[in-house]
Amino acid sequence: DSGVTQTPKHLITATGQRVTLRCSPRSGDLSVYWYQQSLDQGLQFLIQYYNGEERAKGNILERFSAQQFPDLHSELNLSSLELGDSALYFCASSSTSARGTGELFFGEGSRLTVL
Amino acid sequence: QKEVEQDPGPLSVPEGAIVSLNCTYSNSAFQYFMWYRQYSRKGPELLMYTYSSGNKEDGRFTAQVDKSSKYISLFIRDSQPSDSATYLCAMTYSGGGADGLTFGKGTHLIIQP
Repeated sequence: DSGVTQTPKHLITATGQRVTLRCSPRSGDLSVYWYQQSLDQGLQFLIQYYNGEERAKGNILERFSAQQFPDLHSELNLSSLELGDSALYFCASSSTSARGTGELFFGEGSRLTVL
Repeated sequence: QKEVEQDPGPLSVPEGAIVSLNCTYSNSAFQYFMWYRQYSRKGPELLMYTYSSGNKEDGRFTAQVDKSSKYISLFIRDSQPSDSATYLCAMTYSGGGADGLTFGKGTHLIIQP
């Protein structure tokens, strides 16, 4: 158990809809990262938050947004969903933003299926 | 050319064999190299971490980095069925940390009992 909690584990929705994925980081971790994993693209970095502030952006679509709340949990909002958005979405946390061993602690992921 | 290339496999070997998993990369700025292991229906977990060139050993696992060739390897000795998983290489720029990690697509490894 990594200590990172993600909900929901599975989500099935239709094209054009909007969903919210939730993540609780490990106790004490200030950084939260969101990744998308698909068979053809692998694990792609979407966005990072550090102590409530956006820290870095990766390959995140404009239809997607995220935030980190004062209690450090984070939400990833996916809107105007398309078939190609079907993927595993991982949240990860780390104890430090700038330096360290590169250890990310991943949750078990939210599997999104868009029909 | 992608920044990090990794053969997706699957790679199937008998129990007890030595396994070699590899990644190549194109960005010479990468300084920190990692291997993550991902079991089915789970998130990745850090297995090995190496800074710059050289070898690092941890039990049955050895990570090797050759920066001159932009090539990293993970060796697994005396492989066990419990080693069956997807192995993802990851790397980041000088400064380290978990920021800016670039992952390979992962190699699916199957250890046959």
